Amino acid sequence: SQTIHQWPATLVQPVGSPLSLECTVEGTSNPNLYWYRQAAGRGLQLLFYSVGIGQISSEVPQNLSASRPQDRQFILSSKKLLLSDSGFYLCAWSPTGTQYFGPGTRLTVL
Amino acid sequence: GQQLNQSPQSMFIQEGEDVSMNCTSSSIFNTWLWYKQEPGEGPVLLIALYKAGELTSNGRLTAQFGITRKDSFLNISASIPSDVGIYFCAGPLNNAGNMLTFGGGTRLMVKP
Repeated sequence: SQTIHQWPATLVQPVGSPLSLECTVEGTSNPNLYWYRQAAGRGLQLLFYSVGIGQISSEVPQNLSASRPQDRQFILSSKKLLLSDSGFYLCAWSPTGTQYFGPGTRLTVL
Repeated sequence: GQQLNQSPQSMFIQEGEDVSMNCTSSSIFNTWLWYKQEPGEGPVLLIALYKAGELTSNGRLTAQFGITRKDSFLNISASIPSDVGIYFCAGPLNNAGNMLTFGGGTRLMVKP
């Protein structure tokens, strides 16, 4: 069966510091991968999606970037965090027609 | 782009009550998905609907794909405290089905 992991589970970072969040999927090959952000009590905002290694599409211009160095690895990064980057970051993978989410990373920028 | 409107935005009910929520779109969908997100966790897929008029159950949960293909409904019978969470509807943004649009969610609170 397929599983999706996110690391770390929680993170507290100062403004201006770099960021690296990791998402890995097991049990499938060539999945579509997605990064979402969720502000407290709000809905899901799609940030990036990837249909293959090295292929990244950005949905929202911002100071975040994404990379897919391996088939089942998706990384969300920032060179300098802003206060507004705080939130709950969710990775998801998709066969066709549905998406399955990871456990999320709670990021607090102080 | 396509937007999904969920209602109500929040519900505070007594344990044992039935719950009904819905999701509407200005565009036709060929798939409807319902997710539940518990506090501090990622959303979990509850029910997927693929055919207009389809009625699908998952335990105490029942979801329906509206006949017009522009709406979907989720019902929870005999609610219990562990039903607490945010319920999201979702539908495909493109024919490939690899992009989803999500509703704003219905926050359910259950009083024991």
